[in-house]
Amino acid sequence: NAGVMQNPRHLVRRRGQEARLRCSPMKGHSHVYWYRQLPEEGLKFMVYLQKENIIDESGMPKERFSAEFPKEGPSILRIQQVVRGDSAAYFCASSPEAGGPLNEQFFGPGTRLTVL
Amino acid sequence: AQKVTQAQTEISVVEKEDVTLDCVYETRDTTYYLFWYKQPPSGELVFLIRRNSFDEQNEISGRYSWNFQKSTSSFNFTITASQVVDSAVYFCALSAYNAGNMLTFGGGTRLMVKP
Repeated sequence: NAGVMQNPRHLVRRRGQEARLRCSPMKGHSHVYWYRQLPEEGLKFMVYLQKENIIDESGMPKERFSAEFPKEGPSILRIQQVVRGDSAAYFCASSPEAGGPLNEQFFGPGTRLTVL
Repeated sequence: AQKVTQAQTEISVVEKEDVTLDCVYETRDTTYYLFWYKQPPSGELVFLIRRNSFDEQNEISGRYSWNFQKSTSSFNFTITASQVVDSAVYFCALSAYNAGNMLTFGGGTRLMVKP
């Protein structure tokens, strides 16, 4: 059973370009979470999605950031018009349930975004 | 709102020493889960343990042990006989049942184990 997959592992963009980060949850998991880790900091929650629905986006910056989790295919975190401050590691996690004993989140390896 | 505090930003020990990483949390929920993750230099997050708020039993797994005390809102992590491979950043995290299931992370403690 493959774990959570993220690609690309490393992404370099110039200021003003778009960044697309992909996350394929573990098989059987329908809950996806995105977290951002700025350099030398802890992880901060960004958004929580289920298939075709955004459940909680309270941690998403108001502009330039969007996320989706379509019925088919991976979850996508999209950053438009990137700025240097967007440079960070972006982690995706998935879980089989939202609460209760099966709420453990399994993390992907992360995508390291560098904005030049 | 949830909050997790890891007061120790960096700890340095010599191999074979025991080391305890502190974690203090805040939540208004009565049902919640506490986690520890390890982030080695390679950058991935490695799950170590999850405890629910109704289970205050301490846990031991090899050289690792965890002390959960609701009275002080703490979930401390001890590594016995540390090894160089334990060098990493360790994160404590909280997930509250009624708060959307997202994880709230502490700032992390960087542990350096010297030979």
